[in-house]
Amino acid sequence: DGGITQSPKYLFRKEGQNVTLSCEQNLNHDAMYWYRQDPGQGLRLIYYSQIVNDFQKGDIAEGYSVSREKKESFPLTVTSAQKNPTAFYLCASSPRRALHGYTFGSGTRLTVV
Amino acid sequence: GQQVMQIPQYQHVQEGEDFTTYCNSSTTLSNIQWYKQRPGGHPVFLIQLVKSGEVKKQKRLTFQFGEAKKNSSLHITATQTTDVGTYFCAGHSAGGTSYGKLTFGQGTILTVHP
Repeated sequence: DGGITQSPKYLFRKEGQNVTLSCEQNLNHDAMYWYRQDPGQGLRLIYYSQIVNDFQKGDIAEGYSVSREKKESFPLTVTSAQKNPTAFYLCASSPRRALHGYTFGSGTRLTVV
Repeated sequence: GQQVMQIPQYQHVQEGEDFTTYCNSSTTLSNIQWYKQRPGGHPVFLIQLVKSGEVKKQKRLTFQFGEAKKNSSLHITATQTTDVGTYFCAGHSAGGTSYGKLTFGQGTILTVHP
């Protein structure tokens, strides 16, 4: 079955460490996105990529980095520069014209202690 | 930048009552999408509206897109416990690419009491 796989589901890291969240899709979608979800704040866009080897900053990109070396993969690194990294991170993808909306992965819940 | 506001933030209803959530954008939208996120889950796409004044129905759910393409609503008739979750609206600014930045509202958390 086609879909988006995010791993791991839960992640614990010590303060000051970088951590990379995985996102893989087999839907043949061109565009991929990373959102952060905090209670009461909805979904905020971190980075997005419309094509391989290209990506753009979203609304809250500071302290995060991404790469898009393959169409299927869009990993997100949460760096030590991110002041409040504890959150629920959601990866999504869409076809080029997004007529059917975004398909989301099941998310990674990151806790920094 | 574009802002999408959603009200109410929380709604508690008795099973069988109706429910409505409203979405307002600071800018004209090219489209509006609605998503549902069950507790502990991830957002799932429900529907997209594109035309001014458009109304679409999915069983007990009715979606509307305003004439000015700046607001939208989701109405659920006779809620059931399976309707529990957070409902998000999201839109692309008019003039932007259809696969560019999708801005989400804060969501409405629906609780249904049996």
